[in-house]
This record gives sequence, C-alpha cells and structure tokens, in this order.
Amino acid sequence: NAGVTQTPKFQVLKTGQSMTLQCAQDMNHNSMYWYRQDPGMGLRLIYYSASEGTTDKGEVPNGYNVSRLNKREFSLRLESAAPSQTSVYFCASRAKTSGRFYNEQFFGPGTRLTVL
Amino acid sequence: SQQGEEDPQALSIQEGENATMNCSYKTSINNLQWYRQNSGRGLVHLILIRSNEREKHSGRLRVTLDTSKKSSSLLITASRAADTASYFCATDKAAGNKLTFGGGTRVLVKP
Repeated sequence: NAGVTQTPKFQVLKTGQSMTLQCAQDMNHNSMYWYRQDPGMGLRLIYYSASEGTTDKGEVPNGYNVSRLNKREFSLRLESAAPSQTSVYFCASRAKTSGRFYNEQFFGPGTRLTVL
Repeated sequence: SQQGEEDPQALSIQEGENATMNCSYKTSINNLQWYRQNSGRGLVHLILIRSNEREKHSGRLRVTLDTSKKSSSLLITASRAADTASYFCATDKAAGNKLTFGGGTRVLVKP
C-alpha cells in the first residue's frame, strides 16, 4: 500500500506557465482534497472531491482547476502560474463513513512549487 | 479564515517534560482532529475526538474537548526529541465533508 502519492516532488515555473499536479490514492477512499501550505502557516483547502464525479471549491480556489479522473486520481491544474502560488501543495484522501461521522485524512508527501 | 486557532504558536521544552497546546474554534463541529507535521513532510493523523466525547487517550497523547467553550487541548506526556514537529488541530464542521486547519503549534523538544 503506497497510500497517497504525489508527483512531482519539486517544480519551478515561470510566471504564466501552466502545470498539473498529480495525486493518487490506493486506499479506495471516496473523498480527496487539495491544500496549500504557505511558510509558517496551516493548510488552506483549495478544492475537494467528496466522491467520484464531484468537485467543490474550498477556501482559496482562484487560479486553480481540478479533475477527479477516477476514484483513485485527483489532479490540480495551474493554468497561468503566479508568484503568489509559490507554496507547498498537499493532496489528501479519506474514507466515507455512515451517517454524520467522518474519518481522518491521509496526506501525501507534498509538492514544493516555486513560481518565479 | 481558519476555524481553529492554536495556542501557543511555539513551544520549547526539555526532553521528559509534558507539552500542552490548545485549539479554539468558532462553529459547531462533528469532530476535532490533531495532526503532526515533521519538517518538510506531510501531515500525519494523531487522534480524532468526536463532539460527544470529552477526553481521549492514545499512547502518550491525551486530548480533551469542551464543546461549550469551543476548545480542545493536546497533551504530550514525557516528551522525546522525536516529538519535535508542528502540531495542527483541524475541525470537521457539523455540515460538510472537509476539514479546517488551524495555524499550528511548533514544538521543539531539546535533548
């Protein structure tokens, strides 16, 4: 079990370039999430997917798009990168439980993105 | 905006001492979770406490939840150098399927 994997681990872009961050999980989880973490701060939710075929905006969605390709994969795209998007990006997933209770999230190792 | 706010922002203790950090939040929750993040790594789940629970233990960790005060605390007993990390609380709101993270407490355990 690899858990949650992310590619690439590091990336440097120039302003205006585009790229896609990939995330995959092998735990058969329904929900997947993309966060960004700026230095010395907590995580902020960019987008999430409660289940295959659905996506919703989080706290900071501007400048990003997502695709829930299948149950395993959830990608994050920067169409025109800006220096303000320099950050560490984390993908996470979690299982759905019955009723109103949810479980913990499992995180990938992160992608360190620098936009010059 | 961040739902959870940790206090203190940073903590430095000697090995063997206890470390306590607090989290306050604003809206009704289903559960509150604590995560650890080692430098340069992803977050690792430590413990989850549901809104109808008041206290939970896991090894050297003790978490309390006071829903009337909208606050939680994480106690690490007999700390070790390996406990050096940032600790984040995260709340699962009463509605929705997403966590909201606080800004974290950076803990340094000196050998």
